[in-house]
Amino acid sequence: DTAVSQTPKYLVTQMGNDKSIKCEQNLGHDTMYWYKQDSKKFLKIMFSYNNKELIINETVPNRFSPKSPDKAHLNLHINSLELGDSAVYFCASSQGQRSRGYTFGSGTRLTVV
Amino acid sequence: AQSVTQPDIHITVSEGASLELRCNYSYGATPYLFWYVQSPGQGLQLLLKYFSGDTLVQGIKGFEAEFKRSQSSFNLRKPSVHWSDAAEYFCAVGPMEYGNKLVFGAGTILRVKS
Repeated sequence: DTAVSQTPKYLVTQMGNDKSIKCEQNLGHDTMYWYKQDSKKFLKIMFSYNNKELIINETVPNRFSPKSPDKAHLNLHINSLELGDSAVYFCASSQGQRSRGYTFGSGTRLTVV
Repeated sequence: AQSVTQPDIHITVSEGASLELRCNYSYGATPYLFWYVQSPGQGLQLLLKYFSGDTLVQGIKGFEAEFKRSQSSFNLRKPSVHWSDAAEYFCAVGPMEYGNKLVFGAGTILRVKS
């Protein structure tokens, strides 16, 4: 059984389009995250939600909007995609807000052409 | 602000040889410390973690790491590397207080030669 699942795994789209990435966890965790891994493999946090409440919102363009309908789901919507948005986006979850280790999804590779 | 440095971008070791991957962190207090591994095209898998107590922690796949407060280091070791260990390894630190944010190092790519 997949613990943290992301869909789609691959996403190729044109500049200017709007796209969404979905994430679901079945671990019963109460905190979820979006991380971006750039072409140099550097991982940087974008957002964090705890029990549907936004608790971390790093310096991310407002074209990126996370949505958490419940504590098991955290989706990422991106408007007006740009070439620089091409990256691998990882969803993760944890129990509690003191980082005692995350469980990561397998990532969504977004390519903007 | 907290930061993590992994000084080695690439490391190549022979199969069966020992391995040490370096990690140094900058933080005002002792953070939580982690090592993750990422195989090509895969997500990140937690190898081990340190919160407190014994400074030598054991993880999965035969890995261990030692926390050295005086050196602000958390180096990952394995006594005998297998070809399947070839992957990218990330050290990460997280605060012990509210506002959970895991900060990652830039990663070290491990190549294993037979």
